[in-house]
Amino acid sequence: DTEVTQTPKHLVMGMTNKKSLKCEQHMGHRAMYWYKQKAKKPPELMFVYSYEKLSINESVPSRFSPECPNSSLLNLHLHALQPEDSALYLCASSPSGTSSYEQYFGPGTRLTVT
Amino acid sequence: QQQVKQSPQSLIVQKGGISIINCAYENTAFDYFPWYQQFPGKGPALLIAIRPDVSEKKEGRFTISFNKSAKQFSLHIMDSQPGDSATYFCAASKDDGKLTFGQGTILTVHP
Repeated sequence: DTEVTQTPKHLVMGMTNKKSLKCEQHMGHRAMYWYKQKAKKPPELMFVYSYEKLSINESVPSRFSPECPNSSLLNLHLHALQPEDSALYLCASSPSGTSSYEQYFGPGTRLTVT
Repeated sequence: QQQVKQSPQSLIVQKGGISIINCAYENTAFDYFPWYQQFPGKGPALLIAIRPDVSEKKEGRFTISFNKSAKQFSLHIMDSQPGDSATYFCAASKDDGKLTFGQGTILTVHP
């Protein structure tokens, strides 16, 4: 199984809502990532977890809160988002922590903030 | 110094032709150079990658050429097919787990 799965595929939320994005991988990978991608742009790194510990936060606003409950699961909790946060949110994983280089992406969650 | 510059922004190729996408980097600490292929509405898929101790790597119709002294690398797609139509991103990384992406190339292969 070489797949990173993400749920939901689409999410529409108001600016006062609280919602969560979920990412799972069952490849035994030890690093997991959240990226944000706007249309026609490359992915932008948000957070990195290595061995279930937050290792990189790219100065992301606190309305985005990551959580890594176990080595297979990564969540992104969303609260009080702005319309400009509408984007494709991608999860990725890599085999041996952040030193293993290869990153495998999930299909993404298309988020619309109204 | 963290930039990766990618060209062209868009590319149109006839079926059976060769598609060539170029990238240049500045940071000599980068030691891993992957290419990703992304179809609309999907996540990027790792296509092929190279390390700087190798000048060329081929996987099927896809070849990476790497020029360490010029700090440039390129993706060649031989016998391009309509199914290759996608956005291609080059990237570079060092050992901190961060991928620095190029701005992307939209490839269209006409039948």
